[in-house]
Amino acid sequence: GAVVSQHPSRVICKSGTSVKIECRSLDFQATTMFWYRQFPKQSLMLMATSNEGSKATYEQGVEKDKFLINHASLTLSTLTVTSAHPEDSSFYICSARDRLAGGAKNIQYFGAGTRLSVL
Amino acid sequence: DAKTTQPPSMDCAEGRAANLPCNHSTISGNEYVYWYRQIHSQGPQYIIHGLKNNETNEMASLIITEDRKSSTLILPHATLRDTAVYYCIVRLNQAGTALIFGKGTTLSVSS
Repeated sequence: GAVVSQHPSRVICKSGTSVKIECRSLDFQATTMFWYRQFPKQSLMLMATSNEGSKATYEQGVEKDKFLINHASLTLSTLTVTSAHPEDSSFYICSARDRLAGGAKNIQYFGAGTRLSVL
Repeated sequence: DAKTTQPPSMDCAEGRAANLPCNHSTISGNEYVYWYRQIHSQGPQYIIHGLKNNETNEMASLIITEDRKSSTLILPHATLRDTAVYYCIVRLNQAGTALIFGKGTTLSVSS
């Protein structure tokens, strides 16, 4: 299947700093990418939908000024956690779908995730 | 998107078939059934999906009832590496629509 690469896999930062997470589709182009967050022992929660060349759409309760999303190309989306605090510590996962795969082949692929720990 | 109901946990002996049920009684005619799994501390992995017909691939089989109100994911010969949380998701097959995850079923495969 298609490969979604996410970097870094783990990051530890001090409170108040900003952290950028990259999500790349390696062998396909993605018009739309998705960002999820997962707290321990919980399911994945959709944070936002990232659209290439336009503003992201955020889910209710997700602060768009805190979680900056940029989708500058068909293969790269970035999530920046600004002024991170301990409560932002979580597992962040990106996902993408091949824009050329239509109909029944329209499968959403996931990155390996980024473990963010804010001290 | 239609809601799904899965048992919170299941056990399976290594080498036996694992049958994971999913209820989706409010599914609409153009919604697909997707199955993903998440092994601890990793991103979700796509397994299989279908609309109305039964599907099979190298990982699993998907059995959808005729009325489409429920489905079963079958792992024919479970191994220890199949221990994971399995998610059944019902969704329209539209490009901009994200998968919404429920709580899933934690499958524990033991030797």
